[in-house]
Amino acid sequence: GQQLNQSPQSMFIQEGEDVSMNCTSSSIFNTWLWYKQEPGEGPVLLIALYKAGELTSNGRLTAQFGITRKDSFLNISASIPSDVGIYFCAGMNNDMRFGAGTRLTVKP
Amino acid sequence: SAVISQKPSRDICQRGTSLTIQCQVDSQVTMMFWYRQQPGQSLTLIATANQGSEATYESGFVIDKFPISRPNLTFSTLTVSNLSPEDSSIYLCSVEPGGETQYFGPGTRLLVL
Repeated sequence: GQQLNQSPQSMFIQEGEDVSMNCTSSSIFNTWLWYKQEPGEGPVLLIALYKAGELTSNGRLTAQFGITRKDSFLNISASIPSDVGIYFCAGMNNDMRFGAGTRLTVKP
Repeated sequence: SAVISQKPSRDICQRGTSLTIQCQVDSQVTMMFWYRQQPGQSLTLIATANQGSEATYESGFVIDKFPISRPNLTFSTLTVSNLSPEDSSIYLCSVEPGGETQYFGPGTRLLVL
């Protein structure tokens, strides 16, 4: 099925820095979702976006649903060590497609 | 949202055997999904399991290898049959209450020797 192009593949940042990652697709999606997966756990939903142009925040996390409905980004401000994990974007119509993930490492 | 549990959380199996994974949800949901996550990879949908009907399998996945049961609105099982080392993965169930987002269980980590 249609896969999403997620970038960057990995990030190594210093604590306190801001982080930005994005997903693009050649297909339109009705919903964009961002998940975080920590070692030994299943993906946990961070933010869900339902309308083109929508900008939603969850604490230090901000995500936007692109106007074209073919892309989304996730920003993390003032990163902390517990932000470490793999972040997945997902686009949803009748089914759900996932990006390959962004592996985030935060150095204290 | 939904609270999902999976059993077992991990297992080590011999090739040629089978493993049945259970998924329990704290509320009634129509749609349940089974995913596979190979080491270092993203999630791949195996099948959609709706109560009262046969599971719908994605391309590359067949019922003989991945039989699924969905006896009621809060429970499902996935069996991975005739195990080989290539089946070593994380298996995740998810649910879609309300049809707008999916929530995942903690996963079952399978290692096949």
